[in-house]
Amino acid sequence: GAVVSQHPSWVICKSGTSVKIECRSLDFQATTMFWYRQFPKQSLMLMATSNEGSKATYEQGVEKDKFLINHASLTLSTLTVTSAHPEDSSFYICSASQREASEQFFGPGTRLTVL
Amino acid sequence: GQSLEQPSEVTAVEGAIVQINCTYQTSGFYGLSWYQQHDGGAPTFLSYNALDGLEETGRFSSFLSRSDSYGYLLLQELQMKDSASYFCAVRDVQNNAGNMLTFGGGTRLMVKP
Repeated sequence: GAVVSQHPSWVICKSGTSVKIECRSLDFQATTMFWYRQFPKQSLMLMATSNEGSKATYEQGVEKDKFLINHASLTLSTLTVTSAHPEDSSFYICSASQREASEQFFGPGTRLTVL
Repeated sequence: GQSLEQPSEVTAVEGAIVQINCTYQTSGFYGLSWYQQHDGGAPTFLSYNALDGLEETGRFSSFLSRSDSYGYLLLQELQMKDSASYFCAVRDVQNNAGNMLTFGGGTRLMVKP
């Protein structure tokens, strides 16, 4: 149980294009989903937290107009990187939890490369 | 705010025991989690300590001392496949967002034959 999937697993795009990453909880309802970014050999940095049906809460320094998060259902959250640039190249990982103060379950990650 | 400190790298040989320490300074604290991440992969949950003491799960054990803001992950009978990065993470609840995690910088463990 508690499986989280991400799609795509990797994507290469041209600078200036937008990329959408999906995060799904496959066998449970995720009241909260989290989006992290990880640069090579660094830690996971929380970008934003989203609760189903409400606006995402972004961490300081993360541009909400650039990283659009939608959590339309209890099993799906999407992250759209708008007008991507090479510095946005990173490993994007989502996680999901079922209720307050419960374990986070991580997706397999999406490696984004912007040329 | 939250800050967590752990060593950046540890090297050990197969069959040995290694301890990865984590100290934290946090405004809120529910517990300390440990995650393993292989290169190119996602973090996988190893253990969680909410109370003081030692939690054992197979070859891996985790310890917490809330009064010292300190914990460690103990890996026994090291195997080559244990070569990975290990992250401690403080679990907290903020902004009604449920279970929040703040990660340490990670410790890269290299197991040698």
